[in-house]
Amino acid sequence: NAGVTQTPKFRILKIGQSMTLQCAQDMNHNYMYWYRQDPGMGLKLIYYSVGAGITDKGEVPNGYNVSRSTTEYFPLRLELAAPSQTSVYFCASSYSGGGFKDTQYFGPGTRLTVL
Amino acid sequence: DQQVKQNSPSLSVQEGRISILNCDYTNSMFDYFLWYKKYPAEGPTFLISISSIKDKNEDGRFTVFLNKSAKHLSLHIVPSQPGDSAVYFCAASAAHSGGSNYKLTFGKGTLLTVNP
Repeated sequence: NAGVTQTPKFRILKIGQSMTLQCAQDMNHNYMYWYRQDPGMGLKLIYYSVGAGITDKGEVPNGYNVSRSTTEYFPLRLELAAPSQTSVYFCASSYSGGGFKDTQYFGPGTRLTVL
Repeated sequence: DQQVKQNSPSLSVQEGRISILNCDYTNSMFDYFLWYKKYPAEGPTFLISISSIKDKNEDGRFTVFLNKSAKHLSLHIVPSQPGDSAVYFCAASAAHSGGSNYKLTFGKGTLLTVNP
């Protein structure tokens, strides 16, 4: 299994540009998440999905959109990029949202710079 | 308001000695706690967890201790190895307290350096 994969690894955007961060998992996990990590900070939840067709906002959703048409893919869309969106973005997945033995598996991250 | 706090940004220890990483939380609804390890240019990987019904969980060289009354947990690594050098994140969720256990709240992380 490849686990959770993310593309691209790095990207530089100009202010006002748009892009989609790709995330895929091959573990048949129901739950998927997008986090951002700013320098010296912990991870903050942007959006999450509990299954195909179902998404919800996390702690910091402004400026982002998501969709989940299949179990495997969970793309994150940035519209009108701003310097405040300069961050490292991590996608994660888990089998379920319940149970103490469940854990989230993370992708390698996408480092985004908005200039 | 930071609900999960890791007050030490960095920690340096000698190989073979014990590493103790600390984490404090403020939300009494949290009942499940995890430690993640992160190497540069990689995503976090799950290390060990503990539920609030326990006060200790051990997995090989890694032990997590939970003190609910103090709202404090710690990760002990014994013996420390150079390959343990990484950023360690403490995370918490309210799995069975009316919250959702998939909504993890992370601390800022502690950079552990194990010197040979």
